[in-house]
Amino acid sequence: EAGVTQSPTHLIKTRGQQATLRCSPISGHTSVYWYQQALGLGLQFLLWYDEGEERNRGNFPPRFSGRQFPNYSSELNVNALELEDSALYLCASSRSSGRTDTQYFGPGTRLTVL
Amino acid sequence: AQSVTQLDSHVSVSEGTPVLLRCNYSSSYSPSLFWYVQHPNKGLQLLLKYTSAATLVKGINGFEAEFKKSETSFHLTKPSAHMSDAAEYFCVVASYNFNKFYFGSGTKLNVKP
Repeated sequence: EAGVTQSPTHLIKTRGQQATLRCSPISGHTSVYWYQQALGLGLQFLLWYDEGEERNRGNFPPRFSGRQFPNYSSELNVNALELEDSALYLCASSRSSGRTDTQYFGPGTRLTVL
Repeated sequence: AQSVTQLDSHVSVSEGTPVLLRCNYSSSYSPSLFWYVQHPNKGLQLLLKYTSAATLVKGINGFEAEFKKSETSFHLTKPSAHMSDAAEYFCVVASYNFNKFYFGSGTKLNVKP
């Protein structure tokens, strides 16, 4: 069974640009979660999508947005990039949003903002 | 509100000696708790999870954790460290409806030969 995949592996942008990160969940998983792992801040929850809808978001500004496609893959968009957006962005998927379902993580996309 | 506190940012052990990584949680309901491991340049991997079944949870690679409600703890242990265990470990608590996962700040485990 293929795991969660993310693309690109690395992304370099400059301040003010937009970044698009992509995630493909494990086959059969309908929930996709996005996390930001910034140096010194640990892992922070960004967004949760399930069945094509945004179900919850963390404490991030609106310039962080995303969507989930009918095939359950997901995009994370970051507009008006700032230097502090430099981080590893992790995507995770789960079978559903039930209490016992485990999240499986992808390898991440390292975003560097210059 | 839910939160986790990992009490040590760095732990160093010798190969073959026991490992103890400490985690305390805060939750207003019976929590679901997880330990994840992150090896350098690799994604997060689930080690084990507790979801109100047996309080002693066995995970992969010889790790286990014990849920202690009275101490609000979920410490991760392994009887004998291996060099390949060197990584960063995260303790996680899930929100009631599982739509948010709260990560601890991580503990970097160093294993000396």
